Amino acid sequence: AQTVTQSQPEMSVQEAETVTLSCTYDTSESNYYLFWYKQPPSRQMILVIRQEAYKQQNATENRFSVNFQKAAKSFSLKISDSQLGDTAMYFCAFMKRDVNAGGTSYGKLTFGQGTILTVHP
Amino acid sequence: DSGVTQTPKHLITATGQRVTLRCSPRSGDLSVYWYQQSLDQGLQFLIHYYNGEERAKGNILERFSAQQFPDLHSELNLSSLELGDSALYFCASSVADLPTEQYFGPGTRLTVT
Repeated sequence: AQTVTQSQPEMSVQEAETVTLSCTYDTSESNYYLFWYKQPPSRQMILVIRQEAYKQQNATENRFSVNFQKAAKSFSLKISDSQLGDTAMYFCAFMKRDVNAGGTSYGKLTFGQGTILTVHP
Repeated sequence: DSGVTQTPKHLITATGQRVTLRCSPRSGDLSVYWYQQSLDQGLQFLIHYYNGEERAKGNILERFSAQQFPDLHSELNLSSLELGDSALYFCASSVADLPTEQYFGPGTRLTVT
């Protein structure tokens, strides 16, 4: 079974600064996806960024980028030029790329415990 | 707005009761997933349906059941409710059977008293 660990329960950053959220995972799979989701106070789950394990290049989406270290099973999220609207709970998630329907993990997202990020003005 | 709708937004009920949560996926999405978010268990996968068929089952209790209808909306039925079932229940959808991105609805907040 896969596990995802976010070791930072809470983080804070000043507006316009850069912050990095950590995530590690444990799996014996070689083919999988990793995600960062954001959950603002509204409770809506919003996809921030996605990384395919077979791609060596780190994913980037505007101010959000990841540092994917497959051998170390590490997947950190960097937020540049932090904005007040970035205040939220951030979840790291793992999904096995299981092509066989019917498995217990098919389409299953496994989430970490979350990191509460507060951006201060 | 993700395009996934869930009703109701809030539900308060008593122990032992039965409730039904409803989810409509984004237009064109064939897959529906259910997740439970609670303080002690975090976010947990419950079940995945694709075009009406069950694809995978996670840590879903026997008191819980789900189905996906021909119009692709899905319902999660929770019965013999216990205090510990109080949680935020999310539905998510994706286009493909093998998903790479799941889009979440706003959730249904269930409170069992």
